[in-house]
Amino acid sequence: EAGVTQFPSHSVIEKGQTVTLRCDPISGHDNLYWYRRVMGKEIKFLLHFVKESKQDESGMPNNRFLAERTGGTYSTLKVQPAELEDSGVYFCASSQYTDTQYFGPGTRLTVL
Amino acid sequence: TQLLEQSPQFLSIQEGENLTVYCNSSSVFSSLQWYRQEPGEGPVLLVTVVTGGEVKKLKRLTFQFGDARKDSSLHITAAQPGDTGLYLCAGYLNSGYALNFGKGTSLLVTP
Repeated sequence: EAGVTQFPSHSVIEKGQTVTLRCDPISGHDNLYWYRRVMGKEIKFLLHFVKESKQDESGMPNNRFLAERTGGTYSTLKVQPAELEDSGVYFCASSQYTDTQYFGPGTRLTVL
Repeated sequence: TQLLEQSPQFLSIQEGENLTVYCNSSSVFSSLQWYRQEPGEGPVLLVTVVTGGEVKKLKRLTFQFGDARKDSSLHITAAQPGDTGLYLCAGYLNSGYALNFGKGTSLLVTP
Protein backbone atom coordinates (compact mmCIF):
# COMPACT_ATOMS: atom_id res chain seq x y z
CA GLU A 1 0.00 0.00 0.00
CA ALA A 2 1.38 3.40 -0.95
CA GLY A 3 2.12 5.81 1.85
CA VAL A 4 1.42 9.51 2.02
CA THR A 5 3.01 11.29 -0.91
CA GLN A 6 3.84 14.96 -1.26
CA PHE A 7 4.79 17.04 -4.25
CA PRO A 8 7.12 18.74 -4.87
CA SER A 9 9.84 17.50 -2.57
CA HIS A 10 11.57 20.86 -2.75
CA SER A 11 10.46 24.28 -3.97
CA VAL A 12 12.51 27.46 -4.22
CA ILE A 13 10.60 30.65 -4.95
CA GLU A 14 11.06 34.37 -4.58
CA LYS A 15 9.24 36.51 -2.08
CA GLY A 16 5.86 37.54 -3.43
CA GLN A 17 5.41 34.50 -5.65
CA THR A 18 2.78 31.82 -5.27
CA VAL A 19 3.44 28.19 -4.44
CA THR A 20 1.07 25.25 -4.27
CA LEU A 21 1.95 22.12 -2.33
CA ARG A 22 0.13 18.87 -2.90
CA CYS A 23 -0.55 15.93 -0.61
CA ASP A 24 -1.97 12.55 -1.55
CA PRO A 25 -3.07 10.68 1.58
CA ILE A 26 -3.20 6.94 2.05
CA SER A 27 -6.19 5.60 0.15
CA GLY A 28 -9.28 5.41 2.35
CA HIS A 29 -8.01 7.83 4.98
CA ASP A 30 -10.69 10.44 5.67
CA ASN A 31 -8.47 12.50 7.97
CA LEU A 32 -5.76 14.68 6.46
CA TYR A 33 -3.48 17.03 8.36
CA TRP A 34 -0.97 19.71 7.41
CA TYR A 35 1.99 20.55 9.65
CA ARG A 36 4.98 22.83 9.24
CA ARG A 37 8.45 22.98 10.70
CA VAL A 38 10.38 26.21 10.42
CA MET A 39 14.09 26.21 11.18
CA GLY A 40 14.88 25.96 14.86
CA LYS A 41 11.30 25.33 15.88
CA GLU A 42 9.13 22.31 16.51
CA ILE A 43 6.72 20.79 14.00
CA LYS A 44 3.48 22.74 14.30
CA PHE A 45 -0.06 21.84 13.34
CA LEU A 46 -1.68 23.89 10.60
CA LEU A 47 -5.05 22.29 9.89
CA HIS A 48 -7.14 19.13 9.81
CA PHE A 49 -9.55 17.93 7.14
CA VAL A 50 -12.22 15.29 7.58
CA LYS A 51 -13.02 14.27 4.04
CA GLU A 52 -13.47 17.61 2.25
CA SER A 53 -14.40 19.64 5.34
CA LYS A 54 -12.00 21.72 7.41
CA GLN A 55 -12.36 20.36 10.94
CA ASP A 56 -9.77 22.58 12.55
CA GLU A 57 -7.73 25.34 10.91
CA SER A 58 -6.57 26.99 14.12
CA GLY A 59 -2.92 26.59 13.21
CA MET A 60 -3.03 28.43 9.88
CA PRO A 61 -0.64 31.40 10.23
CA ASN A 62 -2.62 33.98 8.24
CA ASN A 63 -4.85 34.47 5.21
CA ARG A 64 -1.96 34.04 2.79
CA PHE A 65 -2.38 30.31 3.33
CA LEU A 66 -5.25 28.46 1.65
CA ALA A 67 -5.85 24.75 2.01
CA GLU A 68 -8.31 22.77 -0.05
CA ARG A 69 -9.39 19.17 -0.32
CA THR A 70 -11.90 19.00 -3.11
CA GLY A 71 -13.61 15.63 -3.33
CA GLY A 72 -12.06 14.51 -0.10
CA THR A 73 -9.03 12.92 -1.73
CA TYR A 74 -5.82 14.86 -2.28
CA SER A 75 -5.20 18.23 -0.68
CA THR A 76 -3.39 21.37 -1.76
CA LEU A 77 -1.85 24.10 0.34
CA LYS A 78 -1.34 27.38 -1.46
CA VAL A 79 0.82 30.20 -0.16
CA GLN A 80 0.11 33.52 -1.86
CA PRO A 81 2.09 35.73 -1.73
CA ALA A 82 4.97 33.90 -0.11
CA GLU A 83 7.08 35.68 2.51
CA LEU A 84 10.57 34.86 3.81
CA GLU A 85 9.20 33.51 7.08
CA ASP A 86 7.16 30.90 5.21
CA SER A 87 10.33 28.91 4.54
CA GLY A 88 10.36 25.51 6.18
CA VAL A 89 9.31 21.92 5.71
CA TYR A 90 5.62 21.28 5.19
CA PHE A 91 4.40 17.85 6.23
CA CYS A 92 1.15 16.18 5.37
CA ALA A 93 -0.26 13.30 7.39
CA SER A 94 -3.32 11.12 7.09
CA SER A 95 -5.23 8.74 9.33
CA GLN A 96 -8.19 6.43 8.91
CA TYR A 97 -9.69 7.43 12.22
CA THR A 98 -8.31 9.91 14.73
CA ASP A 99 -5.53 7.62 15.75
CA THR A 100 -2.20 6.95 14.15
CA GLN A 101 -1.15 9.66 11.75
CA TYR A 102 1.07 8.60 8.86
CA PHE A 103 3.36 11.31 7.65
CA GLY A 104 4.58 12.08 4.16
CA PRO A 105 8.21 12.94 3.41
CA GLY A 106 7.51 16.66 3.43
CA THR A 107 8.00 19.53 1.02
CA ARG A 108 10.94 21.80 1.73
CA LEU A 109 9.96 25.35 0.82
CA THR A 110 12.61 28.03 0.47
CA VAL A 111 11.50 31.61 -0.05
CA LEU A 112 14.29 33.94 -1.21
CA THR B 1 4.16 28.49 23.01
CA GLN B 2 6.03 25.19 22.99
CA LEU B 3 4.09 22.62 24.98
CA LEU B 4 6.64 19.82 24.98
CA GLU B 5 10.26 20.33 26.00
CA GLN B 6 12.67 17.64 24.88
CA SER B 7 16.12 17.08 26.28
CA PRO B 8 18.83 16.74 25.38
CA GLN B 9 18.64 18.47 22.02
CA PHE B 10 21.73 16.66 20.72
CA LEU B 11 23.34 13.44 21.86
CA SER B 12 26.47 11.77 20.53
CA ILE B 13 27.41 8.43 22.02
CA GLN B 14 29.38 5.32 21.18
CA GLU B 15 27.93 2.00 20.21
CA GLY B 16 26.94 -0.05 23.24
CA GLU B 17 26.14 2.86 25.52
CA ASN B 18 22.75 3.48 27.09
CA LEU B 19 20.81 6.74 26.80
CA THR B 20 17.62 8.39 27.93
CA VAL B 21 15.68 11.14 26.19
CA TYR B 22 13.16 13.19 28.12
CA CYS B 23 9.95 14.90 27.09
CA ASN B 24 8.37 17.23 29.63
CA SER B 25 5.34 19.47 29.78
CA SER B 26 3.20 21.37 32.25
CA SER B 27 0.13 20.20 30.34
CA VAL B 28 -1.71 16.92 30.66
CA PHE B 29 -1.84 14.81 27.52
CA SER B 30 -4.46 12.20 26.69
CA SER B 31 -1.73 10.22 24.95
CA LEU B 32 1.86 10.72 23.97
CA GLN B 33 3.74 9.34 21.01
CA TRP B 34 7.37 8.88 20.07
CA TYR B 35 8.48 9.21 16.48
CA ARG B 36 11.74 8.69 14.67
CA GLN B 37 12.62 10.77 11.65
CA GLU B 38 15.32 10.11 9.07
CA PRO B 39 16.72 12.84 6.77
CA GLY B 40 14.39 13.56 3.86
CA GLU B 41 11.56 11.54 5.38
CA GLY B 42 8.58 12.23 7.57
CA PRO B 43 8.26 11.16 11.20
CA VAL B 44 7.51 7.46 11.69
CA LEU B 45 5.56 6.36 14.75
CA LEU B 46 7.43 4.13 17.22
CA VAL B 47 4.97 3.87 20.08
CA THR B 48 1.89 5.41 21.70
CA VAL B 49 1.48 5.55 25.48
CA VAL B 50 -1.94 6.27 26.91
CA THR B 51 -2.13 5.36 30.58
CA GLY B 52 -0.27 7.24 33.30
CA GLY B 53 2.68 5.14 34.48
CA GLU B 54 2.56 2.96 31.38
CA VAL B 55 5.77 1.33 30.21
CA LYS B 56 6.19 -0.10 26.73
CA LYS B 57 9.15 -1.94 25.28
CA LEU B 58 10.16 -2.18 21.66
CA LYS B 59 13.26 -4.39 21.46
CA ARG B 60 16.02 -2.24 23.03
CA LEU B 61 13.76 0.80 23.39
CA THR B 62 11.76 1.41 26.57
CA PHE B 63 9.10 4.12 26.69
CA GLN B 64 7.50 5.42 29.86
CA PHE B 65 4.56 7.75 30.40
CA GLY B 66 4.58 9.75 33.61
CA ASP B 67 1.97 9.07 36.27
CA ALA B 68 0.43 12.49 35.76
CA ARG B 69 0.55 12.14 31.94
CA LYS B 70 2.68 15.28 31.65
CA ASP B 71 6.01 13.71 30.76
CA SER B 72 7.60 10.75 29.05
CA SER B 73 10.99 9.19 28.52
CA LEU B 74 12.66 7.03 25.91
CA HIS B 75 15.50 4.78 27.04
CA ILE B 76 17.71 2.97 24.57
CA THR B 77 19.84 0.11 25.81
CA ALA B 78 23.11 -0.78 24.08
CA ALA B 79 22.70 1.78 21.30
CA GLN B 80 23.69 0.80 17.79
CA PRO B 81 24.64 2.96 14.78
CA GLY B 82 21.28 2.07 13.26
CA ASP B 83 19.60 3.98 16.09
CA THR B 84 20.99 7.24 14.72
CA GLY B 85 18.23 9.68 13.88
CA LEU B 86 15.91 12.39 15.16
CA TYR B 87 13.59 11.29 17.96
CA LEU B 88 10.43 13.32 18.44
CA CYS B 89 7.83 13.22 21.15
CA ALA B 90 4.32 14.40 20.35
CA GLY B 91 1.06 14.35 22.19
CA TYR B 92 -2.63 14.95 22.00
CA LEU B 93 -4.18 17.31 24.50
CA ASN B 94 -7.53 16.27 25.89
CA SER B 95 -9.35 18.01 23.08
CA GLY B 96 -8.60 18.08 19.39
CA TYR B 97 -6.74 15.94 16.93
CA ALA B 98 -3.68 18.11 16.42
CA LEU B 99 -0.37 16.61 17.46
CA ASN B 100 1.84 18.86 19.58
CA PHE B 101 5.51 18.13 18.96
CA GLY B 102 8.71 18.66 20.87
CA LYS B 103 11.73 20.02 18.99
CA GLY B 104 13.34 16.61 18.91
CA THR B 105 16.54 14.94 20.05
CA SER B 106 19.17 14.34 17.39
CA LEU B 107 21.00 11.12 18.25
CA LEU B 108 24.31 10.04 16.72
CA VAL B 109 25.68 6.60 17.56
CA THR B 110 29.21 6.00 16.37
CA PRO B 111 30.80 2.55 15.96
